[in-house]
Amino acid sequence: DGGITQSPKYLFRKEGQNVTLSCEQNLNHDAMYWYRQDPGQGLRLIYYSQIVNDFQKGDIAEGYSVSREKKESFPLTVTSAQKNPTAFYLCASKSGWGSYNEQFFGPGTRLTVL
Amino acid sequence: RKEVEQDPGPFNVPEGATVAFNCTYSNSASQSFFWYRQDCRKEPKLLMSVYSSGNEDGRFTAQLNRASQYISLLIRDSKLSDSATYLCVVNATYSNYQLIWGAGTKLIIKP
Repeated sequence: DGGITQSPKYLFRKEGQNVTLSCEQNLNHDAMYWYRQDPGQGLRLIYYSQIVNDFQKGDIAEGYSVSREKKESFPLTVTSAQKNPTAFYLCASKSGWGSYNEQFFGPGTRLTVL
Repeated sequence: RKEVEQDPGPFNVPEGATVAFNCTYSNSASQSFFWYRQDCRKEPKLLMSVYSSGNEDGRFTAQLNRASQYISLLIRDSKLSDSATYLCVVNATYSNYQLIWGAGTKLIIKP
């Protein structure tokens, strides 16, 4: 079955640590996205990538980094510079980055800072 | 003003009733729209796409009013399983085809 996988489902981080969230898709989609969702709020875009080896900052990129070495993979690193990282992180993909197609989501990673 | 605004609710509705909620958007250049459904602690899933004046899918009807810049979602004969948060999403060339998300409207269907 085609889809998007994210791991881990739950992640606990101590203050000052960097952590990396995995996102893999086998939908052959060009575009991939990382969002953050806080309680009672809409999704906010962290980073997006339209093609391999290229990515762009979204609205709240500070304290995060990404890479896109393969079409299927778009990992997100939450660095110690991110002041309030506790949130629900969602990875999405879309076919044809310059299109009006919908985005498909992975199941998410819930990050908690201890 | 937020780019996409929704009434957060919750809307408490008896099973079998009809419920409707609106979403307003601020940029008239917005091209296409989606309604996503999100269950508690889960990822959003596409419910409907809205490209022209509107469309219907079973019990769900989405309508677009470009003049007044709002999108509506109507749910008829509501089921307990319709309880969820409904997210309004705008897609526009001005945002480099990125999706702009509303904060969602929470719907609770009661038996």
